[in-house]
Amino acid sequence: AQSVTQLGSHVSVSEGALVLLRCNYSSSVPPYLFWYVQYPNQGLQLLLKYTSAATLVKGINGFEAEFKKSETSFHLTKPSAHMSDAAEYFCAVSGGIQGAQKLVFGQGTRLTINP
Amino acid sequence: NAGVTQTPKFRILKIGQSMTLQCTQDMNHNYMYWYRQDPGMGLKLIYYSVGAGITDKGEVPNGYNVSRSTTEDFPLRLELAAPSQTSVYFCASTLDGEQGGYTFGSGTRLTVV
Repeated sequence: AQSVTQLGSHVSVSEGALVLLRCNYSSSVPPYLFWYVQYPNQGLQLLLKYTSAATLVKGINGFEAEFKKSETSFHLTKPSAHMSDAAEYFCAVSGGIQGAQKLVFGQGTRLTINP
Repeated sequence: NAGVTQTPKFRILKIGQSMTLQCTQDMNHNYMYWYRQDPGMGLKLIYYSVGAGITDKGEVPNGYNVSRSTTEDFPLRLELAAPSQTSVYFCASTLDGEQGGYTFGSGTRLTVV
C-alpha cells in the first residue's frame, strides 16, 4: 500500500527565511506526488504536482518541490517566507494498482510565520 | 464556474439521527471523492466514484453510504450518526483520476452530540 509521512506536524519560520516542509513516500510503483495547501476554514488547494516529467516542480506562490527517487522524498521549499504562507500543508501520493485514482494524504504540517 | 459546492457548511446532529451531505460539481469531472479530516490525521478517503453509477469504498467507509446517479452529484449519507463521525467532510473531484490534481469543496463541519 502507498503511504506518506510528513516530518514535523508544526514548522515555524521567520518572515523572509527559507521554508522547508518534508515529505517521504512509500510506493511500489512510480508515484504521482502532490502538495496541497489549506487556509483556515477552507478546502484544500493544489500547490504543485509531480507526474514523472521534470524532477524539480514549480508551483504557485513561489513554492517548488524536488522528487528524489533514491531518497523517496518530495520536500516542499520556498526561498523566502511571507506572512500569507501561514497555513496547513499536505503531501499526497497516488499511482499504481492499489492507489489508482485515489490520493493518500500525509497527516499535514502546520506552517507558522513569525514577523 | 462554481467548482465543487458542498452543503451544508455546518451541522449538529444528535446520536442516531441521519443526514445527507450534498456535493455537486459543474466541471464535468468523472472522478469524485469524499474525505474526512480529523486533527493531526490528515484526510481519510471514505468513498469514491469513477463515473455515474459506479462507486467504491475507500479507507473508512463504515457508517456511510453514497450514490452517483449523475456526473454532477455525489451525496454522502450518514445513517445512525455516532460521535466518532464528528469531523470535517470534504468532497473533491478531478477530470484525470490519477495525474490530475483534485478540486476540493469548502467542507462541511459536522458535530454529533
